[in-house]
Amino acid sequence: EIVLTQSPVTLSLSPGERATLSCRASQSVGSYLAWYQHKPGQAPSLLIYDASNRATGIPARFSGSGSGTDFTLSISSLEPEDFAVYYCQQRLNWPLTFGGGTKVEIK
Amino acid sequence: EVQLLESGGGLVQPGGSLRLSCAASGFTFSRYAMSWVRQAPGKGLEWVSAISGSGGSTNYADPVKGRFTISRDNSKNTLYLQMNSLRAEDTAIYYCAKCLTAHSSNWYYDFWGQGTLVTVSS
Repeated sequence: EIVLTQSPVTLSLSPGERATLSCRASQSVGSYLAWYQHKPGQAPSLLIYDASNRATGIPARFSGSGSGTDFTLSISSLEPEDFAVYYCQQRLNWPLTFGGGTKVEIK
Repeated sequence: EVQLLESGGGLVQPGGSLRLSCAASGFTFSRYAMSWVRQAPGKGLEWVSAISGSGGSTNYADPVKGRFTISRDNSKNTLYLQMNSLRAEDTAIYYCAKCLTAHSSNWYYDFWGQGTLVTVSS
């Protein structure tokens, strides 16, 4: 099973600041990695797929990078609606796996 | 507009069974693989099971293998999860999720339901 480790667990930032979230895989997943945003009481939303492709309707302030075992989700300037939990997910191998999540909270 | 509506959750005793349903609309259901993903209280997302668009191919996470069965009825645009021998650790919100791309094994999820809560407790 491919284990995805996200860091930090919690990121405390102010609106307007840049957020950088990390996802590290226990083995190479190539570019087969996605990022999701999840707010309490809501369904998760796909942000990025195949490491760097923005999903439909996702603002340009969200960007993804990386390949192999190290991936980054960047939010260039945090908007109030961006404070949420973010998960990475790999689709290279069964079982599909998610990272443990990074909570982006208001400082 | 794509909509996924889960139902069938509730309180069940350990060892019991439940069947979850996910009614889909707004897209050609049979063209898309689907999955179930769960979130235990205070925990992160955990992939549970996946099924191809035709229903001919399925996969399961190890913790549910042999106890849960995923299926679909493309004539009813509905996804199912039959859960048997339920354990306390199966307590979670269960989401159904639609795969990003038609007719492919592109296992990313672009639409999710609001989830249904399953509580396993005596």
